[in-house]
Amino acid sequence: AQTVTQSQPEMSVQEAETVTLSCTYDTSESDYYLFWYKQPPSRQMILVIRQEAYKQQNATENRFSVNFQKAAKSFSLKISDSQLGDAAMYFCAYKEPPGGSQGNLIFGKGTKLSVKP
Amino acid sequence: DTGVSQNPRHKITKRGQNVTFRCDPISEHNRLYWYRQTLGQGPEFLTYFQNEAQLEKSRLLSDRFSAERPKGSFSTLEIQRTEQGDSAMYLCASSPHTGGNEKLFFGSGTQLSVL
Repeated sequence: AQTVTQSQPEMSVQEAETVTLSCTYDTSESDYYLFWYKQPPSRQMILVIRQEAYKQQNATENRFSVNFQKAAKSFSLKISDSQLGDAAMYFCAYKEPPGGSQGNLIFGKGTKLSVKP
Repeated sequence: DTGVSQNPRHKITKRGQNVTFRCDPISEHNRLYWYRQTLGQGPEFLTYFQNEAQLEKSRLLSDRFSAERPKGSFSTLEIQRTEQGDSAMYLCASSPHTGGNEKLFFGSGTQLSVL
């Protein structure tokens, strides 16, 4: 069964600095999707960034980028120029390709990010 | 786009009672998902619908749980004979069907406490 592991329960970063959140996953599939979701105290989860496994190029969304290492099954999130509003729980998630489970996003346990002013 | 709406936001019930939660997805989204999140954990998949059809159910969804999505619009999640282990945040999400990497839009959840 696929699993997602986030080894950092908590991280802290100074405002305007860069921080990297780690995520590893286990799968026997060659094609799949990976996501980072943010959950602020308001509880509403918001998609930060997504990556298709067949794409070698790392996804980027403004200050957010990923380092996708398929062979190592690693999918880390880099937040540049951290802002106070980035403080939240961050969840890494895995999804099977079409033909597999289409509803089941498998989430890690999350990393709580604090941003210091 | 008014977002995904969940009601109630909080529910406190006694063990053995039945509870029902409602989710109103984004109107043009044909997929609707239910997840459960306990403290210190990531969300866990319960079930999802495409239009009115319930296409997948997790083994977490015991016989006491039932979900419906009549007419492919809003959805309800009912828990019968609640147990203390049912205490959790119940999250609803919706998405368009775009082929796999679709973005899920989540509601703010219903926090259930079973006393």
